[in-house]
Amino acid sequence: KAGVTQTPRYLIKTRGQQVTLSCSPISGHRSVSWYQQTPGQGLQFLFEYFSETQRNKGNFPGRFSGRQFSNSRSEMNVSTLELGDSALYLCASRSGPGWANEKLFFGSGTQLSVL
Amino acid sequence: SQQGEEDPQALSIQEGENATMNCSYKTSINNLQWYRQNSGRGLVHLILIRSNEREKHSGRLRVTLDTSKKSSSLLITASRAADTASYFCATSDNNLFFGTGTRLTVIP
Repeated sequence: KAGVTQTPRYLIKTRGQQVTLSCSPISGHRSVSWYQQTPGQGLQFLFEYFSETQRNKGNFPGRFSGRQFSNSRSEMNVSTLELGDSALYLCASRSGPGWANEKLFFGSGTQLSVL
Repeated sequence: SQQGEEDPQALSIQEGENATMNCSYKTSINNLQWYRQNSGRGLVHLILIRSNEREKHSGRLRVTLDTSKKSSSLLITASRAADTASYFCATSDNNLFFGTGTRLTVIP
């Protein structure tokens, strides 16, 4: 079974631009979560999608958005990029909606640099 | 914030020694999980301990959970250079919240 795939692996953008990151979950997994990782803040939860619906959202500005398609693939978009958006963006999938025995499977991440 | 906090932030030991990392959290949990991350890569799940469990083992890993103190510890026995990585605890409620991690360096 293929793991979680994130594309692209690296991305360089300039301030003010927008960016779209892609995540393909493990086959059969219906939940996709996104995290932002920076050296100072650790992993910060962005949002989670389950069956094309956003279930939870972290404390990020509206410039950060996402969506999930019927095949469970997910995209996240950041508009009007700021220098502080430079980070490793991690996508993770799991099979079900609950947390009783669920664990996350992570992709390798997209390293975004904003210049 | 429900985020866990790991302690210490960094740990350096000799190969063969044991490594202990601690995690504290603030609210009630369904379970607590530990993950490992090699530099610049995704996280890999290590072990999950439910809120009604006190101790769990997996290979060289031993995890304890004290819900009264809202704390957990991860022990790696007989460490190897390949154990060099960052280790994160994560607590689940409606979602999974991560701490800032412990950076472990195992010196050959």
